[in-house]
Amino acid sequence: GESVGLHLPTLSVQEGDNSIINCAYSNSASDYFIWYKQESGKGPQFIIDIRSNMDKRQGQRVTVLLNKTVKHLSLQIAATQPGDSAVYFCAENGNFNKFYFGSGTKLNVKP
Amino acid sequence: DARVTQTPRHKVTEMGQEVTMRCQPILGHNTVFWYRQTMMQGLELLAYFRNRAPLDDSGMPKDRFSAEMPDATLATLKIQPSEPRDSAVYFCASGLGHVVGSPLHFGNGTRLTVT
Repeated sequence: GESVGLHLPTLSVQEGDNSIINCAYSNSASDYFIWYKQESGKGPQFIIDIRSNMDKRQGQRVTVLLNKTVKHLSLQIAATQPGDSAVYFCAENGNFNKFYFGSGTKLNVKP
Repeated sequence: DARVTQTPRHKVTEMGQEVTMRCQPILGHNTVFWYRQTMMQGLELLAYFRNRAPLDDSGMPKDRFSAEMPDATLATLKIQPSEPRDSAVYFCASGLGHVVGSPLHFGNGTRLTVT
C-alpha cells in the first residue's frame, strides 16, 4: 500500500509560537489529504483537509500546505496553545478511496 | 453532534478467547473502515466496507479475524482465537465514500488487551 511518513516524530514548542508539522507521501495519484489530531484515549479528530487541486488551505489558526512536486504536506498551527498538545497524523486518500496514515508526530506545547 | 460509536471501550481477555468489537457508523455514511493502532505500527488499515460490502480486507490476518456489516448501522470485527499480539486499540471510522473530499470520522476505539 501507499507509504505516508513523517519527518519529525516529536516536536516541542513554546506556547504562543507557531508550529509546523511535516509529512511525506508516496502515491502521486492521491487526490485528497487530511490532518488529524489525536488526544490521549480518543480517536483521531479531523482538523483540516485539502484537495490536490489546491496548494494551500486555511482554517482557524491552522493552515495546510501541499507541494505535489515533492509530495509533501505540512500543517501549520499559529499561536500554539497547551490544548494543541497531541499526536498529529496526516492521511492520504489513495487507491480505491482508501485512507492511509502516517506514523504521527507528537506535539508538546511548553507553557 | 453525530459521531461514530464503538463498544466496548475496553476489553481484557485471555488468549484463545473470542473477541467481538462493534461499531455504529454515523447515520447516512456508506463507508466503514477498521484500523488497528499500536505504538510500533501506527494506524494500520484492516478492512474497508462500502454500502455494507467488503471491498478490501487484505490488512487482516484471515485465519483469525473477520469483519462484517450485518446492517447499515452496525459493523463488527471479530477475533477468534485471540492472541497476545492482538493487543492494540481498534478504531472504526465512517465516511461518505462516494463524495470526493469527504473525511473519515473516527470513534474513540476499543482498547483490547489479550493476556
